[in-house]
Amino acid sequence: DVKVTQSSRYLVKRTGEKVFLECVQDMDHENMFWYRQDPGLGLRLIYFSYDVKMKEKGDIPEGYSVSREKKERFSLILESASTNQTSMYLCASSAGTGGSGQFFGPGTRLTVL
Amino acid sequence: GDSVTQMEGPVTLSEEAFLTINCTYTATGYPSLFWYVQYPGEGLQLLLKATKADDKGSNKGFEATYRKETTSFHLEKGSVQVSDSAVYFCALPLDGYSTLTFGKGTMLLVSP
Repeated sequence: DVKVTQSSRYLVKRTGEKVFLECVQDMDHENMFWYRQDPGLGLRLIYFSYDVKMKEKGDIPEGYSVSREKKERFSLILESASTNQTSMYLCASSAGTGGSGQFFGPGTRLTVL
Repeated sequence: GDSVTQMEGPVTLSEEAFLTINCTYTATGYPSLFWYVQYPGEGLQLLLKATKADDKGSNKGFEATYRKETTSFHLEKGSVQVSDSAVYFCALPLDGYSTLTFGKGTMLLVSP
C-alpha cells in the first residue's frame, strides 16, 4: 500500500514564525500536492509538483512556498505565519496522468496564534 | 471548466438504511472518476474509482457506476453502519498531472 506521512498531526505556531510542513511518500510517485481544508470551503490546492525541483501554483498559493529537492519529499513553507493560515493541511501523491487517483497523508492541523 | 457537483449534507440515516450520495460531473472527454472518504480527524482515503463509462467501482460494500448518459457517479451502499459516518468526496482529474477537482463533500451521519 502507498504510504504518505506528514511530519506532525498537530502544530501550534505564533504569528510571524516560519513554518515547515513535511510530507514523504514511499511509492516513487512523480506527483505531489499540498491542500488546505477549511469548513465550508472544501479542499483547496495550494501547490503541486510533478517532478523534483518542479513546482506549480494551485488555486491559493499566496503566503506559501514549496520545496521538492528529492522525489519522495515535498515541503510546504509558510514564510511568516498568519492567523488566517490556521487550517488542516493535507499532502497527497500520485503516479501517472489521472487514472490512478491521489493518496493522502493523515493531515496536519496547524493553529497560528 | 471540468467540475463535480455533489449533494449537500448532512445525510442522516439509521443503521442498515440504504445510502445514495449524488455526484454529477462536467468534463471534456471521459475522465476517471473517484470517491474519497474522510473519517473524523483523518486524511482522505480513496474509496473507489471507475476509469471508463459503464464501469462500476466497488469497495467495502460501496458502489458507484460511471454513467456517461447522465454524467453521474452516484455513491450507494445497501446497508450503512455507524462506522460509515464520515465525509464523502467525489472527484475527477483536471489535467495530465492527476490534479483533482473535488466536490464540496457530503457528511454522512449514521445512528444506531
